Amino acid sequence: DAGVTQSPTHLIKTRGQQVTLRCSPKSGHDTVSWYQQALGQGPQFIFQYYEEEERQRGNFPDRFSGHQYPNYSSELNVNALLLGDSALYLCATGTGASNTGELFFGEGSRLTVL
Amino acid sequence: DAKTTQPNSMESNEEEPVHLPCNHSTISGTDYIHWYRQLPSQGPEYVIHGLTSNVNNRMASLAIAEDRKSSTLILHRATLRDAAVYYCILRGRISSGSARQLTFGSGTQLTVLP
Repeated sequence: DAGVTQSPTHLIKTRGQQVTLRCSPKSGHDTVSWYQQALGQGPQFIFQYYEEEERQRGNFPDRFSGHQYPNYSSELNVNALLLGDSALYLCATGTGASNTGELFFGEGSRLTVL
Repeated sequence: DAKTTQPNSMESNEEEPVHLPCNHSTISGTDYIHWYRQLPSQGPEYVIHGLTSNVNNRMASLAIAEDRKSSTLILHRATLRDAAVYYCILRGRISSGSARQLTFGSGTQLTVLP
């Protein structure tokens, strides 16, 4: 049973560019959340997708957007990249929009903005 | 959102029990207590969660104070593989906004000495 898979694992962009990160959920999961983790800090919630809609959003500007497909996979898009967007981006999946059970995380996509 | 307080770091000897404390004095009656850990270069991993009663699983035990203002994660026999950052997180119940996200603090860096 494949767990949560994210791609790419590492990427380098320059300021002002745009980036798309991808996440395939664990089998049987229908909810995808995205987190940003700066070096030395805990992950911060960006948003959650369920039934192809954004259900909850953290304190992030609208340069951060997402999408969920009918097969439950998801994309995170970041426009007009800033140096401060350099971080590990984590995808977490679960079942149901408000299920309080465990979430499964991928290993993340490491974004470096130069 | 209710917040948690954890020590920045702890040390333990291999094969000895470890007690990781967490204070959450502003916890509401409907908040679950979740623990996740993050090994180096990996995404967070679910450890355990509970509401009022003590909980056990194959990884750890969770002891919850009677007034629910504090809890302790217990690793019964620490191994080198248990060296990680441990996060104590409060998560709201179903149909609440806080149920849809995990709010990570700084966590406790556990070092296991051979």
